[in-house]
Amino acid sequence: QLQLQESGPGLVKPSETLSLTCTVSGGSISSSNYFWDWIRQPPGKGLEWIGTLFNSGSTYNSGRLYYNPSLKSRVTISVDTSNNQVSLKVSSGTAADTAVYYCARRSGYYYGSVADWGQGTLVTVSP
Amino acid sequence: QSALTQPASVSGSPGQSITISCTGTSSDVGGYNYVSWYQHHPDKAPKLMIYDVSHRPSGVSNRFSGSKSGNTASLTISGLQAEDEADYYCCSFTYSSTLVFGTGTKVTVL
Repeated sequence: QLQLQESGPGLVKPSETLSLTCTVSGGSISSSNYFWDWIRQPPGKGLEWIGTLFNSGSTYNSGRLYYNPSLKSRVTISVDTSNNQVSLKVSSGTAADTAVYYCARRSGYYYGSVADWGQGTLVTVSP
Repeated sequence: QSALTQPASVSGSPGQSITISCTGTSSDVGGYNYVSWYQHHPDKAPKLMIYDVSHRPSGVSNRFSGSKSGNTASLTISGLQAEDEADYYCCSFTYSSTLVFGTGTKVTVL
């Protein structure tokens, strides 16, 4: 059974980079035709899609990246196949980046459906 | 991209049916049959309830159903139960290959 586990610092100072890792177990991050998503939820607010890396089945060097236009300039998603992990970096952190961050997976056959989610990790941006 | 529009709250008595709307544009909801719905209880991961507008994943109660007309998708919960009390979010694939979520609806069982 697929399990996704987010990890990273729970507290980040303003203007610094927020860095999170999602460790995948029960499945390979190299499997083709999957989207690896990052989604967040600020306290008291709704879900916000951050971005995704899509493995089309060719080498990961050609994995396609898609980002929320409102975050694109500050977000980087990457993959570490040797450790079966996908990572998220959000630069120039502000209080507005305080949120529970979820790692998730979508099948390439169901473009709009996030079937598998991690439990989420809270990141607070504060001095 | 703008969040899809949902009512902030919907309520109903046990056994009743409720419907949650999700309004987007022709660039997302109206343009693709890739609308999904999620149930979110506090401090838990969201759970996929409906995919591709109207399909239920294995294990999801048939009390949950989805539909779409034009730029608006809908989730109906029939035979409302106390355990259905949660936040619900719609989500759509978009023309730029991104995802956009709805604003969220709090469902209260009276």
